[in-house]
Amino acid sequence: SQELEQSPQSLIVQEGKNLTINCTSSKTLYGLYWYKQKYGEGLIFLMMLQKGGEEKSHEKITAKLDEKKQQSSLHITASQPSHAGIYLCGADELTGANNLFFGTGTRLTVIP
Amino acid sequence: NAGVTQTPKFQVLKTGQSMTLQCAQDMNHNSMYWYRQDPGMGLRLIYYSASEGTTDKGEVPNGYNVSRLNKREFSLRLESAAPSQTSVYFCASSGLSLYSNQPQHFGDGTRLSIL
Repeated sequence: SQELEQSPQSLIVQEGKNLTINCTSSKTLYGLYWYKQKYGEGLIFLMMLQKGGEEKSHEKITAKLDEKKQQSSLHITASQPSHAGIYLCGADELTGANNLFFGTGTRLTVIP
Repeated sequence: NAGVTQTPKFQVLKTGQSMTLQCAQDMNHNSMYWYRQDPGMGLRLIYYSASEGTTDKGEVPNGYNVSRLNKREFSLRLESAAPSQTSVYFCASSGLSLYSNQPQHFGDGTRLSIL
């Protein structure tokens, strides 16, 4: 099975600042998924990356997968209080099985 | 759109009691999953069902059973609850594609406490 390490474990930023969250695997990732979770709620799907070097953006959030497909980053530009929550990366073990392994999450706090 | 619906949202059980957690999806997805989320350990897969009529063990299946009742519904049963099963349980579902995996969509979770 794959293990995913997320860093940092927690992050406190001032509103308007940029930030980056990293997700690293010791094995090649077949698919990488970013989710956001608010306290007491379920996981909200943000983005999926599958190709080496792939980059996707939605509003102020950009996710990248490196060429070796072992590391992904999530970048938030001009953070807002609405960005606060726990960000989780998940990865596929095998294409077709679609079983995800998750990192332990990064807790983001945005101070107004 | 309801998406993935889990019931109940909260439950407190005594050690040894049994309980079934219900999950239903309205997205016509083939695959369904049960995870548990514990502090510092992230989400761990308990069981999954790749398609109607099939179920398979995940990373932490001991103490649980599942039933894929039909395409929409996937239930998780604790036959004899133990304090170690205190957790937040999430159900998820995903569609099927020949060319790539599809993202999983999650319910809001069931918060289960075993006393």
